[in-house]
Amino acid sequence: DAKTTQPNSMESNEEEPVHLPCNHSTISGTDYIHWYRQLPSQGPEYVIHGLTSNVNNRMASLAIAEDRKSSTLILHRATLRDAAVYYCILSGTYKYIFGTGTRLKVLA
Amino acid sequence: EAGVAQSPRYKIIEKRQSVAFWCNPISGHATLYWYQQILGQGPKLLIQFQNNGVVDDSQLPKDRFSAERLKGVDSTLKIQPAKLEDSAVYLCASSLRGGQFYEQYFGPGTRLTVT
Repeated sequence: DAKTTQPNSMESNEEEPVHLPCNHSTISGTDYIHWYRQLPSQGPEYVIHGLTSNVNNRMASLAIAEDRKSSTLILHRATLRDAAVYYCILSGTYKYIFGTGTRLKVLA
Repeated sequence: EAGVAQSPRYKIIEKRQSVAFWCNPISGHATLYWYQQILGQGPKLLIQFQNNGVVDDSQLPKDRFSAERLKGVDSTLKIQPAKLEDSAVYLCASSLRGGQFYEQYFGPGTRLTVT
């Protein structure tokens, strides 16, 4: 199963954009890239996913490198409620393998 | 729409005791997952059901853990007997179908402490 590498932690100021990187150099052609986040004392929640093209939704944008070996989750304006652990996951056939994620701290 | 429900939210037991967790997925969701999340780590898939059949239980410690999903709706996860290393949050998730195209919806989890 392909793995992902993320920084352990990042900080951002409130109302500024945040770029969360993820490396997945062993990604296969059929792997989707998913992002979930986990707020304190809650279960993970879906953020966004994509295969090859950049994706946008109401929560975030996902930028995928042309070779698909890396991707970046973009939060356009961070708020205090965005403080969470963000997981970048590759789904092969059907199974999610979570890493340790990036803990995002948002400074007021 | 109601989310994934889990109970209890917290449980403290002594080692070698038994414990059971209950999950009610989102209505109409065919696929149900149980994850174990140890403090400081990401969730680890224990078992996946498609309706009431098991799709993947390769990481379920079958000597002590069991799970069932009767009638393809609610599910229970049981640990018997518990060990200290079973202390974790047990998360239930559901999705409309299996496969990587479908978003997983997670419940709030059950925090288990084994003393």
